[in-house]
Amino acid sequence: ETGVTQSPTHLIKTRGQQVTLRCSSQSGHNTVSWYQQALGQGPQFIFQYYREEENGRGNFPPRFSGLQFPNYSSELNVNALELDDSALYLCASSGFFGQGTRLTVV
Amino acid sequence: RKEVEQDPGPFNVPEGATVAFNCTYSNSASQSFFWYRQDCRKEPKLLMSVYSSGNEDGRFTAQLNRASQYISLLIRDSKLSDSATYLCVVNLGGAYNFNKFYFGSGTKLNVKP
Repeated sequence: ETGVTQSPTHLIKTRGQQVTLRCSSQSGHNTVSWYQQALGQGPQFIFQYYREEENGRGNFPPRFSGLQFPNYSSELNVNALELDDSALYLCASSGFFGQGTRLTVV
Repeated sequence: RKEVEQDPGPFNVPEGATVAFNCTYSNSASQSFFWYRQDCRKEPKLLMSVYSSGNEDGRFTAQLNRASQYISLLIRDSKLSDSATYLCVVNLGGAYNFNKFYFGSGTKLNVKP
């Protein structure tokens, strides 16, 4: 067990909708990062949270946003979904990844 | 230019073969290096860290050449269960970049009976 859990595992949304993905990690993992993995590609860094503040961001537009909570859980929010947002979304803490949320935008 | 470049493969090898993967990275400030393994439709899992002195874990040997910005992974005596995608990963390091990994696109390995 990696101690990193994501929900939901699968999700289907319509273009233009908003989505919230969740990640929880064991106590003590005060840094969490989110990644997007398109089919056939390596994961791409979206952003990192450290002690509830964004602390580094990759090349993703502002419609990708996040939160980290005092209990070390985290959310990734994506507004105005586009077809290209279809991917596996991964959160990571201390080098360990959750099982991911597979998002399909139709 | 991509931060981390890998040959996508696939590498198709028979059981028992030795296979080597390579990757190059562009940022000379990179501090830490890893190989991750990813099975189909699963999350990446840490295979091993990579050190300048070279390190070995059973059948797996990793090597780092900082001067050439080159990382390698050698798998000896391949098993069917080694079939997966191998991701080369670099990190800039530091407390605020611990989880900010740059991934290669992965090299697919198929081990055949």
